[in-house]
Amino acid sequence: AQSVTQLDSHVSVSEGTPVLLRCNYSSSYSPSLFWYVQHPNKGLQLLLKYTSAATLVKGINGFEAEFKKSETSFHLTKPSAHMSDAAEYFCVVIFMNRDDKIIFGKGTRLHILP
Amino acid sequence: SQTIHQWPATLVQPVGSPLSLECTVEGTSNPNLYWYRQAAGRGLQLLFYSVGIGQISSEVPQNLSASRPQDRQFILSSKKLLLSDSGFYLCACHTNRGLAEAFFGQGTRLTVV
Repeated sequence: AQSVTQLDSHVSVSEGTPVLLRCNYSSSYSPSLFWYVQHPNKGLQLLLKYTSAATLVKGINGFEAEFKKSETSFHLTKPSAHMSDAAEYFCVVIFMNRDDKIIFGKGTRLHILP
Repeated sequence: SQTIHQWPATLVQPVGSPLSLECTVEGTSNPNLYWYRQAAGRGLQLLFYSVGIGQISSEVPQNLSASRPQDRQFILSSKKLLLSDSGFYLCACHTNRGLAEAFFGQGTRLTVV
């Protein structure tokens, strides 16, 4: 079965320290992978996407993610957290099959400590 | 490029009133379309998805229904809203031509009072 797992429901980091939000998927099909951010009472904003080009993807606001096929992972990182990064982050996967759904991870809430 | 128009952005409705949220897609044809709901403090739950006109699959039993009267139009409805229908509703689409890519509407925040 196809699935996507965000391993941490909450992550807390201090401002200026690195951020790591984890995402793993499970499927025999090739995936398109996305990270979205949702600030309180806002819609989804695309941070970055992987669609079978370069495995290291750079996104907005200093975020990047690396697709590792052998580990079926697409972890989101940022070298230095900023207070404005506090939000909910969703890993989203689409598999290369017409009948497959857009699959959301359950989300990771990122807290930034001053 | 593809865009999704979803409206309204916010909505306050009394219990027992009907609901109609509309989502239209531009820039592509024959997309897969989705309705998700995010209840307060929860993740995004898939409510309905559609692979073509008139084809609707429901993921969870609920007080809502969906329809796809045209290729690029997806409507979420209710005859009588419940308090528990409050939440953030999101329309999404993807196509599978070339590289699959997801697009999302801006969402509708529904408050049932």
